Amino acid sequence: EAGVTQFPSHSVIEKGQTVTLRCDPISGHDNLYWYRRVMGKEIKFLLHFVKESKQDESGMPNNRFLAERTGGTYSTLKVQPAELEDSGVYFCASSQAVPGELFFGEGSRLTVL
Amino acid sequence: AQTVTQSQPEMSVQEAETVTLSCTYDTSESNYYLFWYKQPPSRQMILVIRQEAYKQQNATENRFSVNFQKAAKSFSLKISDSQLGDTAMYFCAFIQDSGTYKYIFGTGTRLKVLA
Repeated sequence: EAGVTQFPSHSVIEKGQTVTLRCDPISGHDNLYWYRRVMGKEIKFLLHFVKESKQDESGMPNNRFLAERTGGTYSTLKVQPAELEDSGVYFCASSQAVPGELFFGEGSRLTVL
Repeated sequence: AQTVTQSQPEMSVQEAETVTLSCTYDTSESNYYLFWYKQPPSRQMILVIRQEAYKQQNATENRFSVNFQKAAKSFSLKISDSQLGDTAMYFCAFIQDSGTYKYIFGTGTRLKVLA
């Protein structure tokens, strides 16, 4: 069974540009989470989808961040326009039920120059 | 707001020795779950062990065990007979069993097992 996959693994963009990160959860997992880790800091919650609905988006930093989950399958996280402080590793995780085990992707490293 | 604190940014241990990673958390909830995840270098994060707060017995998974002290809000991870493959970042995580199901993570402890 395929695990959680994220694309791209690394993205380097200029300040002001747009980046879209994609996450494919494990098939059948209704719960999908986005997290971000800045070097040396905690893994910070961004938002939680249940199927295609946003259950909790309290961690989204501002309106430059837009997350979608088409048809309750894959999810995208768009940052537009990107700022320097958006740099970090963005993790996606999925779960069949909550609270339960989260299955993580390998992360997408975003570097904003 | 719930918080998770890992006070040891880095640790090292000799192969075959035992090491304990600390984690404290803050919550007013009575029902919740605690987890330890590990992220090996350049690999994805995986679950090591989980503990339900309503269970008094400490969870154990092979060489991994926890010391769960609910009153003290402490959840340490003990790794026995450390192996080179245990080298990883270890994250402690918390989730309450109601309301919004948001997992709260700590800052992580980088563990290096020395040959």
